[in-house]
Amino acid sequence: AQTVTQSQPEMSVQEAETVTLSCTYDTSESDYYLFWYKQPPSRQMILVIRQEAYKQQNATENRFSVNFQKAAKSFSLKISDSQLGDAAMYFCATSIIQGAQKLVFGQGTRLTINP
Amino acid sequence: GAGVSQSPRYKVTKRGQDVALRCDPISGHVSLYWYRQALGQGPEFLTYFNYEAQQDKSGLPNDRFSAERPEGSISTLTIQRTEQRDSAMYRCATARIGQGFTGELFFGEGSRLTVL
Repeated sequence: AQTVTQSQPEMSVQEAETVTLSCTYDTSESDYYLFWYKQPPSRQMILVIRQEAYKQQNATENRFSVNFQKAAKSFSLKISDSQLGDAAMYFCATSIIQGAQKLVFGQGTRLTINP
Repeated sequence: GAGVSQSPRYKVTKRGQDVALRCDPISGHVSLYWYRQALGQGPEFLTYFNYEAQQDKSGLPNDRFSAERPEGSISTLTIQRTEQRDSAMYRCATARIGQGFTGELFFGEGSRLTVL
């Protein structure tokens, strides 16, 4: 079974600053995906970034990057140059690659951007 | 369609009534998932389908919950004899399988169920 833990229920950051959201996971699988999803006040679920576990290079999408530490089972999200539109709940999630690709989510981190 | 469509967006019902929640997937997406999200929590897996076949229903909380996808496209999640603890956002998500699959699930906007 897979589990995901987000130990920061809430985080805040000044606009234009950098913030890192933490995520740890547990899995017995060797091949899996890791994701960060964003849920703004509109309650949509929007994919922010994804990482295949077999890739050593950390994924990057514009201002969003991850620090993937496979041995430590850690997958943190760094948001650079924070913008007001980044305010949302952020969920870390994992799924296996073979078989049922159901996502297992963490509890979420609420990110507030201070102007 | 362009995105995953769920209906109704909001449903208020009285305890003991049955409810049916509908999901219309993105065209060509053969995998379809149902999740439940309580306020302030992450989504929890309920069940999923590949085409019309229900592959895993291990997340359904009890036998009042059922889901079907008879023609491999639209799916319905049914909750019988609703209870107040069933109040939550119910989300549908779909995905490709095979070539082009990236692991990403595409979520609908959800159906918010309130049981009085």
